[in-house]
Amino acid sequence: GQQLNQSPQSMFIQEGEDVSMNCTSSSIFNTWLWYKQDPGEGPVLLIALYKAGELTSNGRLTAQFGITRKDSFLNISASIPSDVGIYFCAGQTTSGTYKYIFGTGTRLKVLA
Amino acid sequence: GAVVSQHPSRVICKSGTSVKIECRSLDFQATTMFWYRQFPKKSLMLMATSNEGSKATYEQGVEKDKFLINHASLTLSTLTVTSAHPEDSSFYICSAPGGHQETQYFGPGTRLLVL
Repeated sequence: GQQLNQSPQSMFIQEGEDVSMNCTSSSIFNTWLWYKQDPGEGPVLLIALYKAGELTSNGRLTAQFGITRKDSFLNISASIPSDVGIYFCAGQTTSGTYKYIFGTGTRLKVLA
Repeated sequence: GAVVSQHPSRVICKSGTSVKIECRSLDFQATTMFWYRQFPKKSLMLMATSNEGSKATYEQGVEKDKFLINHASLTLSTLTVTSAHPEDSSFYICSAPGGHQETQYFGPGTRLLVL
């Protein structure tokens, strides 16, 4: 199936550092969602972006919907150990079916 | 936020048997639900769109006779893995659009192990 390109694939960071990850696509999306998934659980919604250029924060998380509608980034500031997990972006296709295409995921590990 | 539940959370079955997984939207109605499959350390792959009162729409490469989907009410969709084989072992997750502009909310997932 179709997937979004997400980078980096994985990263190890020190506690307190800032983290940045992004998703890019050759297709235009009309909604971007960012999720965090812990092992053995379903993804949990972090941030939703609904229009190009939108910048939204949720606590230490900030995400932006790219102007071209083909990319999005997620920043985590002052990382803590519980930020460990897999982060996925998801783009909603423009076909009106409300189907989402998922990124390949970024595995984050925080070193205390 | 909207709550989606799944049952069972994990199931072990013998090869050749069928397994039914339920997905429920607990505090909202969903005319559409989505079923995903996730292999270890991989992303979520959309299998099918479940439509209340009509046939499911399957993604390319997904066998509709293998993965039967029924969306009998506005709060329940079921996925039945028929004649399961070890290669069907995976993590199955459902989602439902809810809230503002059809944001997707996910269930906690069902881990299937076929022996």
